[in-house]
Amino acid sequence: GENVEQHPSTLSVQEGDSAVIKCTYSDSASNYFPWYKQELGKGPQLIIDIRSNVGEKKDQRIAVTLNKTAKHFSLHITETQPEDSAVYFCAARLYQFYFGTGTSLTVIP
Amino acid sequence: GAGVSQSPSNKVTEKGKDVELRCDPISGHTALYWYRQSLGQGLEFLIYFQGNSAPDKSGLPSDRFSAERTGGSVSTLTIQRTQQEDSAVYLCASSFGTGSNQPQHFGDGTRLSIL
Repeated sequence: GENVEQHPSTLSVQEGDSAVIKCTYSDSASNYFPWYKQELGKGPQLIIDIRSNVGEKKDQRIAVTLNKTAKHFSLHITETQPEDSAVYFCAARLYQFYFGTGTSLTVIP
Repeated sequence: GAGVSQSPSNKVTEKGKDVELRCDPISGHTALYWYRQSLGQGLEFLIYFQGNSAPDKSGLPSDRFSAERTGGSVSTLTIQRTQQEDSAVYLCASSFGTGSNQPQHFGDGTRLSIL
């Protein structure tokens, strides 16, 4: 099956700085890579996704990049705000979804 | 529009009791997933339903766990003879299907506490 690793497990940044979270996957057949944001007491919410035929996708302050050769993908958040503080999960789809272990992001005002 | 709805939002029960957790997926979504999330941990896959196909039960941790999906819509996850290690948040997600890389939409989960 697929194995997804996510780093770092915790990340603190100053408001306005950028945050980068990285994930690697093991099976080159995985073809869809969503990112989720989970706030306390809530379910994960999809924030951005990328398909294997695309190298980069951007939505306002959030971007995701995919390197199929190296089998890794990254989430980039620019101009961070305190409301970006949450736990972020990456996932890879191979028949079913395989999730990373999460990154707890804290944005310091 | 309505999202994925899970009930109850919280459940406290005594060890050894059976519990039923309910998930109402988004209307029209053919795929439904159950996950377990322990405190501060990632998502552990439990079971997956796709249309009328046989469910993928490969993630169920023991035979005390079972799930069904009636009429291709509502699903219930049942845990029999609950143990303290069953305490966790149980999340349900649904999607349009699996063949076209549709994203999952999650409910807010049921927080299960076993005393």
